[in-house]
Amino acid sequence: GESVGLHLPTLSVQEGDNSIINCAYSNSASDYFIWYKQESGKGPQFIIDIRSNMDKRQGQRVTVLLNKTVKHLSLQIAATQPGDSAVYFCAETYTPAAGNKLTFGGGTRVLVKP
Amino acid sequence: NAGVTQTPKFRVLKTGQSMTLLCAQDMNHEYMYWYRQDPGMGLRLIHYSVGEGTTAKGEVPDGYNVSRLKKQNFLLGLESAAPSQTSVYFCASSYYTGAGNQPQHFGDGTRLSIL
Repeated sequence: GESVGLHLPTLSVQEGDNSIINCAYSNSASDYFIWYKQESGKGPQFIIDIRSNMDKRQGQRVTVLLNKTVKHLSLQIAATQPGDSAVYFCAETYTPAAGNKLTFGGGTRVLVKP
Repeated sequence: NAGVTQTPKFRVLKTGQSMTLLCAQDMNHEYMYWYRQDPGMGLRLIHYSVGEGTTAKGEVPDGYNVSRLKKQNFLLGLESAAPSQTSVYFCASSYYTGAGNQPQHFGDGTRLSIL
């Protein structure tokens, strides 16, 4: 992910629509990727992860897609709800990174319109 | 399970004062981390620990010290607070397994203002 300065990119989505949040990563050696959700005043919350031996993984209403060729990660949220409004971060690491240290993207703000 | 608990939640300090932020986790995780989060800067790693009695520097360690005397606790110290250390501080922890990386789990943060 890339830092975008003081202004987070924002995705506005209608309640009930699907959301797609994108993340570009830079380290071709990265083999583990995580999506986090951060609500206002709270810490990042784990949503879903994916390892480099997979290109798709599904959870409850969420799907993560990994394209290693172009170093791109996306998070799809189905039937977006007001509770999905938050900032979403991608994070990456590689094996064996000392201490499993993560590199975080700059984040995308999702606003759900009723 | 409380997960990762940080104390205090809020604090205001004067320049030059010292303080310690406490992080406690009840998940028996080996690894623990301290981050700071500033507007537009994302999460930056200050220090981390891969086990009791061990610590290592992260991306922005200057002005901070840490200690991990017990597996479940990770302390972050500011010896002489500076306005540049005004930030939201997050603690995280994760398992270590030989099967591969594991996600980090975060506390809800300490909001620190240095005047």
